Amino acid sequence: DQQVKQNSPSLSVQEGRISILNCDYTNSMFDYFLWYKKYPAEGPTFLISISSIKDKNEDGRFTVFLNKSAKHLSLHIVPSQPGDSAVYFCAASQGGSEKLVFGKGTKLTVNP
Amino acid sequence: KAGVTQTPRYLIKTRGQQVTLSCSPISGHRSVSWYQQTPGQGLQFLFEYFSETQRNKGNFPGRFSGRQFSNSRSEMNVSTLELGDSALYLCASGWGGSSEQFFGPGTRLTVL
Repeated sequence: DQQVKQNSPSLSVQEGRISILNCDYTNSMFDYFLWYKKYPAEGPTFLISISSIKDKNEDGRFTVFLNKSAKHLSLHIVPSQPGDSAVYFCAASQGGSEKLVFGKGTKLTVNP
Repeated sequence: KAGVTQTPRYLIKTRGQQVTLSCSPISGHRSVSWYQQTPGQGLQFLFEYFSETQRNKGNFPGRFSGRQFSNSRSEMNVSTLELGDSALYLCASGWGGSSEQFFGPGTRLTVL
């Protein structure tokens, strides 16, 4: 049973526009959520995180929104740049555990 | 500050053999986690070590084992290799008190 789901395997946007990547989870015990970016032949790179006590966290061009009642989070990238083209993973954990449960990723392509 | 390093980067083994992968965490990090990434299953948690003790374990058979040394470096071992063990094995390190982790580039294991 997949506890963290990224239902869109791919997303294509134009440079300068907004990219919105979505993630759903089923385990209500998750209290910490993270987004990672991964380029081919590299390990995932941490982007941004959010605790369940917040509904929004912003870091530069990246904003993560959390809707606990819907068990849904999203990552907004504004404005999108070609260098943002990568696979984005949503991950969740509970109780400060180092065990991360990952979604299967969304491949973002930003076209110049 | 040096990132997480993993050795070797690539490995080819045959069925039935065993393999040992190594991970050196970021200096000061005491938690090391291991993940397996495959096209079908995505990123899956194997286990986590903190101060030489296994704190968390994922749903993998006993053929997968690990350990952590007093300098926080970690190794994972897979015995009696199967074709399905072909994957990218990722190591991540963290402070141990939060879920934020930093990943190495991974070891690509191919089992023939």
